[in-house]
Amino acid sequence: GAVVSQHPSRVICKSGTSVKIECRSLDFQATTMFWYRQFPKKSLMLMATSNEGSKATYEQGVEKDKFLINHASLTLSTLTVTSAHPEDSSFYICSALTSADTQYFGPGTRLTVL
Amino acid sequence: AQKITQTQPGMFVQEKEAVTLDCTYDTSDPSYGLFWYKQPSSGEMIFLIYQGSYDQQNATEGRYSLNFQKARKSANLVISASQLGDSAMYFCAMREGQGFWGSQGNLIFGKGTKLSVKP
Repeated sequence: GAVVSQHPSRVICKSGTSVKIECRSLDFQATTMFWYRQFPKKSLMLMATSNEGSKATYEQGVEKDKFLINHASLTLSTLTVTSAHPEDSSFYICSALTSADTQYFGPGTRLTVL
Repeated sequence: AQKITQTQPGMFVQEKEAVTLDCTYDTSDPSYGLFWYKQPSSGEMIFLIYQGSYDQQNATEGRYSLNFQKARKSANLVISASQLGDSAMYFCAMREGQGFWGSQGNLIFGKGTKLSVKP
């Protein structure tokens, strides 16, 4: 079945540094990928919709200059958290849409900013 | 191997009736957490309910309850008194380890079930 991977699965970084998270669809092409942030016992917050070959669509309240999204190919989208701060510590999840509009989720990336 | 299985790609329910969405899971870790999320057409993922593997009672949140059968490794979501606004995709997910963040490992999702509520 369709698989979506994320790399790294965990990352710890110092405040002020940037961190890049990769999301890959391993056996299908995804023109659309989504980035979410998970909060304890709350909704997965949709951060942005990543479209291959065009600019990402950010949800209201998400800083596009802080969370840079690049959908470089039909199988890869990256989320870069720039100048990370402790409040950015969270669990980031991506998902990818197949051509049949089935959504597959990546396993997530746990970011800890010290 | 698939760790979360949702066998119902689509379900229909009459308004005001109850509906059960199936979810089975596979893990060898005695500590784990089970989640249900609702995804309306907007794409957001609305947290519905959480069940820890050591929780003594089935989790309930308003009209949502989780029918947790540990021996069968099933965590079915029951929605009582369905409403038109319940029409959405529903995803079951699991994270190994104790507590909401588990061992801070992967959150594994099922493929989802599309629920349609008929007036």
